Amino acid sequence: NAGVTQTPKFQVLKTGQSMTLQCAQDMNHEYMSWYRQDPGMGLRLIHYSVGAGITDQGEVPNGYNVSRSTTEDFPLRLLSAAPSQTSVYFCASSPGPREPQHFGDGTRLSIL
Amino acid sequence: AQSVTQPDIHITVSEGASLELRCNYSYGATPYLFWYVQSPGQGLQLLLKYFSGDTLVQGIKGFEAEFKRSQSSFNLRKPSVHWSDAAEYFCAVGAGGTASKLTFGTGTRLQVTL
Repeated sequence: NAGVTQTPKFQVLKTGQSMTLQCAQDMNHEYMSWYRQDPGMGLRLIHYSVGAGITDQGEVPNGYNVSRSTTEDFPLRLLSAAPSQTSVYFCASSPGPREPQHFGDGTRLSIL
Repeated sequence: AQSVTQPDIHITVSEGASLELRCNYSYGATPYLFWYVQSPGQGLQLLLKYFSGDTLVQGIKGFEAEFKRSQSSFNLRKPSVHWSDAAEYFCAVGAGGTASKLTFGTGTRLQVTL
């Protein structure tokens, strides 16, 4: 049982490039979320999904797109990377609204 | 909107000493409350959660937390700290009837001296 798997673990981009951060879970969880972690700011919610085909914005959605075509996968897209998006990104999943989230190990993204 | 305050950025305790990490939240109704721990370069691991019922909750690794509605607090405690407890600790609140949209505090980094 792999849990929540995020790829890649590290990535360096140039300003303006696009990229997709992958998140997959094998626990058949309906709820999935993306957070970013910045020094001194804790984690902030970017987007979340309550099931395949259903997504909504979190606290800091600008510059990010998501889609949820399957229960297992919840990719996060940066269409035109900016230095302000340099961060560590975490994906999380849970089986339902009253269950705690399970977190992946994160993707460390640097944008030059 | 809900918010979480962890007033202590960095705490240092001696191994074997007791620990209390503070967490205050702002939310109109009864929130879902969590404590997570993060080791360097790792994801977040759930220590404990509070949804309702008994206000003193037990978690993993010997941690406990007490929900105090009158003080809007959810402080984390451990009676005897081990060197392996050194990590960053995050308090989080889930509002609106869901634990999937979390608002996190800024974290408290715990250092343990031998």
